[in-house]
Amino acid sequence: DTEVTQTPKHLVMGMTNKKSLKCEQHMGHRAMYWYKQKAKKPPELMFVYSYEKLSINESVPSRFSPECPNSSLLNLHLHALQPEDSALYLCASDSGTSGGPYQETQYFGPGTRLLVL
Amino acid sequence: AQSVSQHNHHVILSEAASLELGCNYSYGGTVNLFWYVQYPGQHLQLLLKYFSGDPLVKGIKGFEAEFIKSKFSFNLRKPSVQWSDTAEYFCAVNAGNNRKLIWGLGTSLAVNP
Repeated sequence: DTEVTQTPKHLVMGMTNKKSLKCEQHMGHRAMYWYKQKAKKPPELMFVYSYEKLSINESVPSRFSPECPNSSLLNLHLHALQPEDSALYLCASDSGTSGGPYQETQYFGPGTRLLVL
Repeated sequence: AQSVSQHNHHVILSEAASLELGCNYSYGGTVNLFWYVQYPGQHLQLLLKYFSGDPLVKGIKGFEAEFIKSKFSFNLRKPSVQWSDTAEYFCAVNAGNNRKLIWGLGTSLAVNP
């Protein structure tokens, strides 16, 4: 099973709301990623978790708060978002085992399409 | 800073035409190279990757890419495209020991039946 699942598929929220995005994989992967993607643009890396520890934070505003409760789950908590945060939020995972040069395949989920009003 | 450039932002082809999408990167050391594809309404998936060895790599769906170190290039090719190849194609590079991919801006391919 090479599937990364994400819920919800669509989310509409106001600027004062608090919501969470969820990502799950059962491939035994130990690295998980959050990306933001605008239409027809490449994914922008937000966060990387490696063995449930935050290893990369790409200077993302604090209104985005990641959480990795266990090796299969990754959450992204959203609070006080701005309309420009509207985008497709992608989760990805890889085995997390390469300690040297990065030679992994990232498996992407279908994304959550977020609209902030 | 490391960067990846994809020369063609939009490509329109007829079925059975040959395809070549350009990808150049700026980094002088060892790199690992990837092509990802995003079909309409579907998730990003890996087409092929190059780490070392034979510079001509074959991927899924009849795609191949050639790594030319002297030109800092990793161009994607397919001899005969199909309507189902309509998609967004992204070249990505990793040039370090972290888990970060540097992405090109993508090429939108439309194949007319």
